[in-house]
Amino acid sequence: EADIYQTPRYLVIGTGKKITLECSQTMGHDKMYWYQQDPGMELHLIHYSYGVNSTEKGDLSSESTVSRIRTEHFPLTLESARPSHTSQYLCASSDGAAKGTQYFGPGTRLLVL
Amino acid sequence: GNSVTQMEGPVTLSEEAFLTINCTYTATGYPSLFWYVQYPGEGLQLLLKATKADDKGSNKGFEATYRKETTSFHLEKGSVQVSDSAVYFCALSGRGGYNKLIFGAGTRLAVHP
Repeated sequence: EADIYQTPRYLVIGTGKKITLECSQTMGHDKMYWYQQDPGMELHLIHYSYGVNSTEKGDLSSESTVSRIRTEHFPLTLESARPSHTSQYLCASSDGAAKGTQYFGPGTRLLVL
Repeated sequence: GNSVTQMEGPVTLSEEAFLTINCTYTATGYPSLFWYVQYPGEGLQLLLKATKADDKGSNKGFEATYRKETTSFHLEKGSVQVSDSAVYFCALSGRGGYNKLIFGAGTRLAVHP
């Protein structure tokens, strides 16, 4: 059973606000990922990290930023939220030894008004 | 580049019907292959995986066989239940240390009593 947590689960916020979506895992995994899932269900990798102080942009350009100061924590920040950021955001982690298996958190559903 | 193609949904079945969701892939080398399931309002859960050709992954009555000759990883279940209603994602992971997953677009399954 994977132990990866995301907060908040749901967030409704106004345009222009700064928000941080939290993601934590207790498995000691080095690799962590953020995905954006659009209403059509498709998943897009927006950020990933191989370890502490390592972050990379994913396949889909995103205005969000991430940080990885601790192994277990991988927060995603939007400096100024816009309606186009409305989506579901999924966090995942992997230990690299599991032949690519990623474990997902429950997701944060964001609505920007 | 690597890609995954899975059959479009929605797939609508009656309880106890046989399920097949097709998945084909394009990849260099020998990727690992996965099926993930997403229940309403939740994140993705690993359903099954296969790491080399001819491997069969199985879990909760679902099966999929890694077919390198046809570059396929079709998901099957002999008798679906209403509780199987969800979105199913096929994915592949390339070799190397990054463990990035390439997802298909997802197939929504609805099972009716």
